[in-house]
Amino acid sequence: DAGVTQSPTHLIKTRGQHVTLRCSPISGHKSVSWYQQVLGQGPQFIFQYYEKEERGRGNFPDRFSARQFPNYSSELNVNALLLGDSALYLCASTVQGSTEAFFGQGTRLTVV
Amino acid sequence: AQSVTQLDSQVPVFEEAPVELRCNYSSSVSVYLFWYVQYPNQGLQLLLKYLSGSTLVKSINGFEAEFNKSQTSFHLRKPSVHISDTAEYFCAVSETDSWGKLQFGAGTQVVVTP
Repeated sequence: DAGVTQSPTHLIKTRGQHVTLRCSPISGHKSVSWYQQVLGQGPQFIFQYYEKEERGRGNFPDRFSARQFPNYSSELNVNALLLGDSALYLCASTVQGSTEAFFGQGTRLTVV
Repeated sequence: AQSVTQLDSQVPVFEEAPVELRCNYSSSVSVYLFWYVQYPNQGLQLLLKYLSGSTLVKSINGFEAEFNKSQTSFHLRKPSVHISDTAEYFCAVSETDSWGKLQFGAGTQVVVTP
């Protein structure tokens, strides 16, 4: 079985641009969470989606948005990129009610 | 709201020596506790977790952690480390009714040298 897959693995964007990151959960997992990991820090919770509905949101500005599709894959969108948005963005999938989150390899975003 | 404090940002250790990584948390509600490991250029992998029951939990690769409610701690230990244990280790908590949402500490970088 494939694990959590994220694309792209790396990308470079310019300040002010928009970016879309993608995540495919493990088959059978209906919940996807997004985390931002700035270099030297622990991951910070951004969003959780379950059955296409937002179930939780962290302390991030409205420039960050996400959605989940009928096949349970998810997109994270960030508008008006700032240098401080440079980070590793991690996606995790979970079975409903489970305590175990399975993480993808992440997308390394660099904003220049 | 919860918070997680990992008291050491980096821990150098010699191969076959013991290691302890310290984690303290604060929360006004019941929480579950986790240790995740991150190898270079990879995502996070669950190492072990405490949900309830025995306060000592063990992983298949020799790590163990003990939940101490009175000290609000969940320290991670391994009696003898290998070079392959070089990685970053994150302590995390989640509210018991908030599955899928983790609050992480800042991480502890373990560097094992021969």
